[in-house]
Amino acid sequence: AQTVTQSQPEMSVQEAETVTLSCTYDTSENNYYLFWYKQPPSRQMILVIRQEAYKQQNATENRFSVNFQKAAKSFSLKISDSQLGDTAMYFCAFIFYNNNDMRFGAGTRLTVKP
Amino acid sequence: GAGVSQSPSNKVTEKGKDVELRCDPISGHTALYWYRQSLGQGLEFLIYFQGNSAPDKSGLPSDRFSAERTGGSVSTLTIQRTQQEDSAVYLCASSPQVSNEKLFFGSGTQLSVL
Repeated sequence: AQTVTQSQPEMSVQEAETVTLSCTYDTSENNYYLFWYKQPPSRQMILVIRQEAYKQQNATENRFSVNFQKAAKSFSLKISDSQLGDTAMYFCAFIFYNNNDMRFGAGTRLTVKP
Repeated sequence: GAGVSQSPSNKVTEKGKDVELRCDPISGHTALYWYRQSLGQGLEFLIYFQGNSAPDKSGLPSDRFSAERTGGSVSTLTIQRTQQEDSAVYLCASSPQVSNEKLFFGSGTQLSVL
């Protein structure tokens, strides 16, 4: 079974600065997707960014980018120019191709300070 | 509908009572998922539906939990004889098809068992 580990329960960053959230995963398979989801106080999970394992190029979405290290099974999220609205829980997630069981890490609570 | 809708938003119940949680997925989405999020924890996969059938029920934590989906649309998660450890946020998600990696989440039901 695949597992997802987020080793930072809580983090904080000053507004406009950069922060990196860590995620590692464990699988023996080669074909899978990785995700970062954001959960604000409204509880609704919002997809931030996704990465396909076969792609070597790191995914980028505006201020959000990932550092995907397949051999190390590492998938960190970098948030640049942090904004107050980035304050939320962030979950790393994993799913195999043609599978139906998306696995989530325990989450990192990020606080952006003014 | 425009998004995944869950009801009720909050539910307080007494230990031993039965509760029903409802999920209305995005119209046309064939896959539907239930997750449980306990305080300070990540998301725990409970069950998924492909149309009206649930091929994998192994994530349900006990036989007090059951779920059904009718008409390929609305799903109900039922918890019988609720216990205090059932207190959590129950999140529903849908996707256009099974094995599609993009999930659309509802805002969840906060269940509190007193």
